[in-house]
Amino acid sequence: AQSVTQPDIHITVSEGASLELRCNYSYGATPYLFWYVQSPGQGLQLLLKYFSGDTLVQGIKGFEAEFKRSQSSFNLRKPSVHWSDAAEYFCAVGSGANNLFFGTGTRLTVIP
Amino acid sequence: GAVVSQHPSWVICKSGTSVKIECRSLDFQATTMFWYRQFPKQSLMLMATSNEGSKATYEQGVEKDKFLINHASLTLSTLTVTSAHPEDSSFYICSARDGGRGLAEAFFGQGTRLTVV
Repeated sequence: AQSVTQPDIHITVSEGASLELRCNYSYGATPYLFWYVQSPGQGLQLLLKYFSGDTLVQGIKGFEAEFKRSQSSFNLRKPSVHWSDAAEYFCAVGSGANNLFFGTGTRLTVIP
Repeated sequence: GAVVSQHPSWVICKSGTSVKIECRSLDFQATTMFWYRQFPKQSLMLMATSNEGSKATYEQGVEKDKFLINHASLTLSTLTVTSAHPEDSSFYICSARDGGRGLAEAFFGQGTRLTVV
């Protein structure tokens, strides 16, 4: 069965510190993996995606993620967090024309 | 990137009335659109998948007679919440796939906050 696990419900980091948000997935086929960010009351903005090829993908706003097939993981990282990065982050998996399966989200709080 | 416009962004309606939410792909043809519901501080739950020109496929537990989905064109899908009740209050988000790009990326609308009073 398809599933996405984001083990961290809430993470707090200091501005300027590094960030890693964890994502593990279970998917029967070759997965397409995504990270989305959602600000309060807003829709979802795509940060980055992995379809194939280089397992380290670069996204917008300085984010990157690494696909590790052996660990079924797709963790999101950023070397230096900005206060504007405070939001809810969702990892998702899908393939082809099917819908996406979302994790439960990780809320990021950035303290000055 | 591709743009999906969802309208309205928020709506307040009286219990028992119906509300229509529109989802438009502005610069691409979306053969498939998805409707999600998001409860406060929770993830997105897929309600239904709509394909242009055919009936929508609803997820288990979603009442098809209550949440009417129409996908009459390649750029427009609508979700109508019929006889709305306070428990239908939620954040509804649509997404659309750009079939012409041949990729699995889905583009999301801004969401609609529905409040039923």
